Formats: sequence, structure tokens, C-alpha cells
Amino acid sequence: QQQVRQSPQSLTVWEGETAILNCSYENSAFDYFPWYQQFPGEGPALLISILSVSDKKEDGRFTIFFNKREKKLSLHIADSQPGDSATYFCAASGSSGSWQLIFGSGTQLTVMP
Amino acid sequence: EAAVTQSPRSKVAVTGGKVTLSCHQTNNHDYMYWYRQDTGHGLRLIHYSYVADSTEKGDIPDGYKASRPSQENFSLILELASLSQTAVYFCASSDSWGAYEQYFGPGTRLTVL
Repeated sequence: QQQVRQSPQSLTVWEGETAILNCSYENSAFDYFPWYQQFPGEGPALLISILSVSDKKEDGRFTIFFNKREKKLSLHIADSQPGDSATYFCAASGSSGSWQLIFGSGTQLTVMP
Repeated sequence: EAAVTQSPRSKVAVTGGKVTLSCHQTNNHDYMYWYRQDTGHGLRLIHYSYVADSTEKGDIPDGYKASRPSQENFSLILELASLSQTAVYFCASSDSWGAYEQYFGPGTRLTVL
């Protein structure tokens, strides 16, 4: 039973386009959602996160949109660059991040120059 | 300078053999984690520890043991390696339990033949 689901499994965009990565969750008690970025041969690293009290979080070209009612969120990467090519993991936790972190299966993003 | 290091970076083991994966952190963090990464499953928690000489089971502990001899070091032990344990293993550390930013090592690719 996957508590955090991601789609698509892989995504290819052209340089300059906006990449949209989707995530959904089942447990309504989840209230903290970090996104981790993983480059080939490296471990994941925290990219951006959002608490469920917010519906949007921006950090440069990266924006999380959050819909609590539908239990869905998405990561938008504006003006995608080849250097953004990586696997992106959506994760979830409860009680504002004090619970165990549950990871989705990841979206592999390729940005073509 | 890498704060979480893992050794070896890759290993080939025989079925039924013993495998030890090592992790070292210089973050001065209390919490350390072992995750397993498989295609389609994201990251799953195997064992974790919040203090030296103590370990706790995660979601998929069967077939694995863990050892935390000091705050800096955390090992994952496969007493009788099996084909199904072929995966990439990540160690991580954090200064508190749960989803608050976790710092990952570069991973160990284990192949069991």
C-alpha cells in the first residue's frame, strides 16, 4: 500500500519549459511535504517543502502547489534547465514534520537542451 | 566536505554471505537512518537509531540488522544475503526524529548473486 504516489514515473521537457511533477497522498493526517532532488550517483537532498497550512510555496524557479481537499500537490519547475535533470521524490509526514518521512516512488526528469 | 559518507560505494556479494555496509556522519546528529531504494518503490526505511548502542526497526527490517557503536557511525548488516536484497542503500542523518531535513550519503549499490 503506497501512501504517497507520484506521477509521471518519467518526464522529458525542453529547456525553458515548465516541468510539472505530481504527487498525491492517502493519510489526511500528513501535514508536511518535502520534495527531495536526487542526481545520478548521489543521495537525495532537500529541495523545497510546504506545510499544509499553505497552498503555495516558492523558491526561485521551484514552486509547490498544494490542494488539501484533494490531497494532491505538485512541483512546478519554471524555465527548466538541463542541470535540473534528476529524480524528484515527494515525501510526506505528520504533525508538522515530527513523524516518520514517507517517500513516493519518484519522478525522473530529463531536460533536453 | 561530505557530511555523510558510506562505504563501500558498491559491492557484489554471494547469496548466503554476510554483508556489512558502513555509514559515517560528521553532522553531530543524533538520528541516523538506513533506507533501501528500489525502482518503483522510492525509499523505504529499514532501521534507524537515535542514540549510540541503540537501534530501532523501520518498515522493512526483516533480513537486516543494524549497529550504532558511536554517534558518528551506523552499520547495516545482512547476515545471510539474498537475491531480493539487491538494491541501493542510503544512510541519512538528522538532528531530530522524522521529516525535518535529513542529510543523505551517496549510497551503496549492493548486488547479490
